[in-house]
Amino acid sequence: AQKVTQAQTEISVVEKEDVTLDCVYETRDTTYYLFWYKQPPSGELVFLIRRNSFDEQNEISGRYSWNFQKSTSSFNFTITASQVVDSAVYFCALRVQGGSEKLVFGKGTKLTVNP
Amino acid sequence: GAGVSQSPSNKVTEKGKDVELRCDPISGHTALYWYRQSLGQGLEFLIYFQGNSAPDKSGLPSDRFSAERTGGSVSTLTIQRTQQEDSAVYLCASSWRGGWGEQFFGPGTRLTVL
Repeated sequence: AQKVTQAQTEISVVEKEDVTLDCVYETRDTTYYLFWYKQPPSGELVFLIRRNSFDEQNEISGRYSWNFQKSTSSFNFTITASQVVDSAVYFCALRVQGGSEKLVFGKGTKLTVNP
Repeated sequence: GAGVSQSPSNKVTEKGKDVELRCDPISGHTALYWYRQSLGQGLEFLIYFQGNSAPDKSGLPSDRFSAERTGGSVSTLTIQRTQQEDSAVYLCASSWRGGWGEQFFGPGTRLTVL
């Protein structure tokens, strides 16, 4: 069975602070995909990034960066110089190869960026 | 292009009534998913359709829930004899099958059972 744990339920920061959202996953499959989604107050889930299990290279996209470490089964997400518009609930998700390829989500981390 | 659309955006119903929720996936996407988001349970997978294959119904919480996908496009999720615990946001997603296949989500239908 697959499981995703986001231990941080809520985080509050002041604008321009850096913040890291933690994600730990569990799976016995060797081929899998990891995702981050953002859910702003409007409610629609927005895809941010995907990673496959064979690519541990970290990725940076503007103020966003992701750190994938198979040794610790973690896929952490860092926002640099946070902005008020970053306020949202962030979900980490796991999908294994084959089968229904359903997403298994963590419980989400609610990030509030205060001005 | 158009994203995933869902209707209605909000639905209020009385306990015991049946409801139908609709999803229009992104054109060309062969895979379609239904998820449920509730405060207590987070985001839960309900059902998955891929082309003409038999759907994966492993996430449906009870036999009061059913879904169909007509013509490989539009999908309808039906909840019979609704209960208060069915209150949640029902999300639909679509993707291309296989490989990367990130799922694109619709805005959801907020269901409230009184």
